[in-house]
Amino acid sequence: GNSVTQMEGPVTLSEEAFLTINCTYTATGYPSLFWYVQYPGEGLQLLLKATKADDKGSNKGFEATYRKETTSFHLEKGSVQVSDSAVYFCAPDTGRRALTFGSGTRLQVQP
Amino acid sequence: GAGVSQSPRYKVAKRGQDVALRCDPISGHVSLFWYQQALGQGPEFLTYFQNEAQLDKSGLPSDRFFAERPEGSVSTLKIQRTQQEDSAVYLCASSLAGQGGYGYTFGSGTRLTVV
Repeated sequence: GNSVTQMEGPVTLSEEAFLTINCTYTATGYPSLFWYVQYPGEGLQLLLKATKADDKGSNKGFEATYRKETTSFHLEKGSVQVSDSAVYFCAPDTGRRALTFGSGTRLQVQP
Repeated sequence: GAGVSQSPRYKVAKRGQDVALRCDPISGHVSLFWYQQALGQGPEFLTYFQNEAQLDKSGLPSDRFFAERPEGSVSTLKIQRTQQEDSAVYLCASSLAGQGGYGYTFGSGTRLTVV
């Protein structure tokens, strides 16, 4: 069946450090790929998306590239801030018109 | 409205009690989804509506769970005879369409605690 594997957290970084959160998925066909973010006490928000192979989604300094060959959609940011502390979810649209979410990766950024 | 609105924000139910959770999607959004998010986990799909039609209910964990969207706008998720394992945050999301490429707008969720 369809599944998503995210790196386990928490990921603890110092401010201005480089961030990578790995995500790989299994799905039939070529799904659209999403990263959602959940800030403390808030609902999930769409962070970025990519709809076809080699597309790069970007928002708020975060980027992720749709890698068809490796079925991956790793999230990166060059310089994290304390305000980026949140839980990040990778989510392919697996063709049933619903999203399959990973278990989430908690990011903690220390000043 | 400006966003997806869910109510109540918090609900404490005694085991065996019936509960009803409401979702008010963004006006004009055709697709509506319900997800269940257990503590420390990612959201799990429950059910999907396109307008008033429930097209997929394969994620509902038991026949105690029932969802409806009679006029293609507001939706209600009902849980009968609640059990402790039903304790979770229930998230509602809506989108313009259900095809790939559209991100969803989520509500803030209803945190259900069954005691």
